[in-house]
Amino acid sequence: DAGVTQSPTHLIKTRGQHVTLRCSPISGHKSVSWYQQVLGQGPQFIFQYYEKEERGRGNFPDRFSARQFPNYSSELNVNALLLGDSALYLCASSQQGRNYGYTFGSGTRLTVV
Amino acid sequence: DQQVKQNSPSLSVQEGRISILNCDYTNSMFDYFLWYKKYPAEGPTFLISISSIKDKNEDGRFTVFLNKSAKHLSLHIVPSQPGDSAVYFCAASLTGGGNKLTFGTGTQLKVEL
Repeated sequence: DAGVTQSPTHLIKTRGQHVTLRCSPISGHKSVSWYQQVLGQGPQFIFQYYEKEERGRGNFPDRFSARQFPNYSSELNVNALLLGDSALYLCASSQQGRNYGYTFGSGTRLTVV
Repeated sequence: DQQVKQNSPSLSVQEGRISILNCDYTNSMFDYFLWYKKYPAEGPTFLISISSIKDKNEDGRFTVFLNKSAKHLSLHIVPSQPGDSAVYFCAASLTGGGNKLTFGTGTQLKVEL
């Protein structure tokens, strides 16, 4: 069975640009969450979507947005990129709306130059 | 405000011995705790969890202990194996908290032959 897949795996963008990261959950999983992991830190919660509705939002600026599609895949969008947005962006999926037992993808490494 | 803390950035243990990874939290409302393991270039993998109504949970070589009064939990790995070498993250969540996980900064475990 395919796990959580994220694309692209690596990305380099310039300050001020926009980026879209994509995530496909495990088949049958209806909940998707996004986390940002800066080097040397633990993952930080950005968003959670369940059944295509936003169920939670972390302490991130409005430049960060996300959505979930009818097939439960998800996109994370970041506008007006800053150098500090350079991080590993992780997507996690679950069968239910709770975090317990989330399966994480391998992440997208975003570098902003 | 770091609500989940892992004060040891690294730990080195000999193969076959016990590894003890520690985690402290400040928010007494947290009611569920999880440990994840992360290898380079991979997403975090769920290891074991514990509810705040318990003080111990065991799964094979992995045991998690929770001391609610001290707001402290620990992960014991016995016996440690070279394949256990990874970064270990402690995470916490609370009911009604928007379904987010709050992670610690991680402990790099190295199991030496």
